[in-house]
Amino acid sequence: EPEVTQTPSHQVTQMGQEVILRCVPISNHLYFYWYRQILGQKVEFLVSFYNNEISEKSEIFDDQFSVERPDGSNFTLKIRSTKLEDSAMYFCASRASGVVSYNEQFFGPGTRLTVL
Amino acid sequence: GESVGLHLPTLSVQEGDNSIINCAYSNSASDYFIWYKQESGKGPQFIIDIRSNMDKRQGQRVTVLLNKTVKHLSLQIAATQPGDSAVYFCAGLISGGYQKVTFGTGTKLQVIP
Repeated sequence: EPEVTQTPSHQVTQMGQEVILRCVPISNHLYFYWYRQILGQKVEFLVSFYNNEISEKSEIFDDQFSVERPDGSNFTLKIRSTKLEDSAMYFCASRASGVVSYNEQFFGPGTRLTVL
Repeated sequence: GESVGLHLPTLSVQEGDNSIINCAYSNSASDYFIWYKQESGKGPQFIIDIRSNMDKRQGQRVTVLLNKTVKHLSLQIAATQPGDSAVYFCAGLISGGYQKVTFGTGTKLQVIP
């Protein structure tokens, strides 16, 4: 069964450093998302991406964040200068187009980001 | 503002019994509501959705009920199994756009063997 994959599973970084979180969405999906989950809190939407551009972003997704689909398979989230409060689990998700799976976003296993 | 999901934090259920997980929402523009299951160390997994103009939808061993009058959503799991142990989130979605999902805080379901 196809699945969304994410690397690395755990990333430890120093405050102020840049990190890139990587995702490989399901191959025929067209809509891509990043969410984050701070420990013990709910999953929060960060950004959606379609047709090679950001379609919607939350207030969390400020100028320190960027997303890219550098090739036909990868979808990345970059944080330019990490802050302590960026420590969280980051989930990538993808969704197909079409009626059958209209609402179903498939989530990856997440990358745990720890900022020291 | 939009708010989805006010939960009891933990629900313990005997294996084989039915489980009912509840969620309240307030002032939400969502036109779909979705239940997700999150097992330890994994990402959320879509279980079932319901359109806001419906009051009941059944899936395999799960039923979602929506009461718009009191802004309440529930997930019923029949014959709960150990593999059902997870955190369950209700979520709202506004369709027609790019489908940002707004998650609630989650309920942990513990199945007692």
